[in-house]
Amino acid sequence: DTGVSQDPRHKITKRGQNVTFRCDPISEHNRLYWYRQTLGQGPEFLTYFQNEAQLEKSRLLSDRFSAERPKGSFSTLEIQRTEQGDSAMYLCASSLESFPDTQYFGPGTRLTVL
Amino acid sequence: AQSVTQPDIHITVSEGASLELRCNYSYGATPYLFWYVQSPGQGLQLLLKYFSGDTLVQGIKGFEAEFKRSQSSFNLRKPSVHWSDAAEYFCAVGISGNTPLVFGKGTRLSVIA
Repeated sequence: DTGVSQDPRHKITKRGQNVTFRCDPISEHNRLYWYRQTLGQGPEFLTYFQNEAQLEKSRLLSDRFSAERPKGSFSTLEIQRTEQGDSAMYLCASSLESFPDTQYFGPGTRLTVL
Repeated sequence: AQSVTQPDIHITVSEGASLELRCNYSYGATPYLFWYVQSPGQGLQLLLKYFSGDTLVQGIKGFEAEFKRSQSSFNLRKPSVHWSDAAEYFCAVGISGNTPLVFGKGTRLSVIA
């Protein structure tokens, strides 16, 4: 069990640029979640997948945000035309398809938009 | 919609003293409850969880939490705090067992000598 991994750990970009983050879940986990955490707040849910199916995406913050999990393994979160308000920690979590499930989090990607 | 309240933004305790972090939730049915810990710049580590059964649950690092349905609470406790426990602690609630978690705003714990 190598845990959830995220890449990159830190990303600095200029406003208007596109960024993409990657998440590799624990190998046998078929659920994958994305959360955003701003300073002084708890994580806020964005979207999640069961295998390659995206089951909930209405909580993505705007149409500039999109996520994929093409083969049901790793996932990517893309933010287009970044804004300074997008600066945050982006967390990925994975879980087994069990009821109830327990989510295990990765180390996060810290995004800074200048 | 469910919500989680952590009333204490910041708590300072002396090393060796006992600790209680408060968590209250708002949800009509029995929720699934979690405590996570986050060190600066890091992701979240699961401390413990409550799904059903015994309302006193044990976790890692000597932590425990008690679910009190009548008070809608799930407070985290530790009998003797170590300096390495200094971190941010988050309470979270899930419903229906396979949905995204709703987190509180967290409580920052400082430990002094």
